[in-house]
Amino acid sequence: EAGVAQSPRYKIIEKRQSVAFWCNPISGHATLYWYQQILGQGPKLLIQFQNNGVVDDSQLPKDRFSAERLKGVDSTLKIQPAKLEDSAVYLCASSSRTSGREEQFFGPGTRLTVL
Amino acid sequence: SQKIEQNSEALNIQEGKTATLTCNYTNYSPAYLQWYRQDPGRGPVFLLLIRENEKEKRKERLKVTFDTTLKQSLFHITASQPADSATYLCALGRGGDDKIIFGKGTRLHILP
Repeated sequence: EAGVAQSPRYKIIEKRQSVAFWCNPISGHATLYWYQQILGQGPKLLIQFQNNGVVDDSQLPKDRFSAERLKGVDSTLKIQPAKLEDSAVYLCASSSRTSGREEQFFGPGTRLTVL
Repeated sequence: SQKIEQNSEALNIQEGKTATLTCNYTNYSPAYLQWYRQDPGRGPVFLLLIRENEKEKRKERLKVTFDTTLKQSLFHITASQPADSATYLCALGRGGDDKIIFGKGTRLHILP
């Protein structure tokens, strides 16, 4: 079974620039999550999708962050414009409630550095 | 507000000994608790899940306990090995919405 794929793995941008991250979850997983992990912290949920609908985006800074999951499969997370404090690892995860298991499967993450 | 505390930022344990990591929480009523392992530069990997009505769960050299009265989970690695060195994250879930909240993690170093 292929894991969660993310790209790019690393990105360096100047503040006020925009950036986009891509995630391909495990095939058949209806639930997709985007997390932000700042160095030394645990992952913080930004947005959760169930198929192509948003379940929770309460911690997404909507003035600069946006995310979509067209067709309920792949997802993109965009930051526009980026700030210095957005420097972090952005993790994508997926899960399948129909499997009866609550575990989440994570991708390798995208490390973003904002200069 | 909800709070999850993992007992220490870093823990050094001699190889062969048992490593014990602690996860405490407040203002939360989890239906289950999960433990994940995270290696540098990689995403977390699921290890174990324990439900609110379970006291203990084991998997090979791993053991997790869950005390909803104390609002605490203990994560044990027996016969620890240098390969067990990693950051361990606890996460709480209420069930129903598949959403979990992570602690900061504990960096475990197993010394040869």
